[in-house]
Amino acid sequence: SQTIHQWPATLVQPVGSPLSLECTVEGTSNPNLYWYRQAAGRGLQLLFYSVGIGQISSEVPQNLSASRPQDRQFILSSKKLLLSDSGFYLCAQILAGGTDTQYFGPGTRLTVL
Amino acid sequence: GEDVEQSLFLSVREGDSSVINCTYTDSSSTYLYWYKQEPGAGLQLLTYIFSNMDMKQDQRLTVLLNKKDKHLSLRIADTQTGDSAIYFCAETPGGGYNKLIFGAGTRLAVHP
Repeated sequence: SQTIHQWPATLVQPVGSPLSLECTVEGTSNPNLYWYRQAAGRGLQLLFYSVGIGQISSEVPQNLSASRPQDRQFILSSKKLLLSDSGFYLCAQILAGGTDTQYFGPGTRLTVL
Repeated sequence: GEDVEQSLFLSVREGDSSVINCTYTDSSSTYLYWYKQEPGAGLQLLTYIFSNMDMKQDQRLTVLLNKKDKHLSLRIADTQTGDSAIYFCAETPGGGYNKLIFGAGTRLAVHP
């Protein structure tokens, strides 16, 4: 089965502070991993995806970055948060083969004040 | 470009059927998905349909796909209060890394 862990579940940070959100997954090795952001009342926007350790692709230029130090670990970071970074951050992994369906973690709700 | 559109809100009476509609632009999409998001929670995959299918039924859920019009719908039979949530339509455009393009979500409210 696919299990995705995200922490923290909620976070309140001041503008200009750093950020580190962590996602770890269980299941198949070498999964494709994704970070999405959902702004209030909006759909999901793909931020980053990774097809392997150390391989990161960015979809949207911004002050966020991502890293994949281990096969099943995906980290979202920022050196200085902006108000516009507030949102619900979701990590996802793909079940390779078959329907290529993405499974989502429980999410981290970030509020930047 | 890649775009998925949904109506933002739907209100139905408990026991009635709900129909949530979605239009998409990328005709090369292989799969189309419906996800459900309950308040404060992550996304739960409800169902999906392969692009060469017209219809898929799964218990109370029926997905209809009209490729010519690039229109996808989700019908929920006998809607219950537990079905109240936001429903997202998503497609996987061609590209090789399986990113999902989501609509903004339809908020379904079920009232007695």
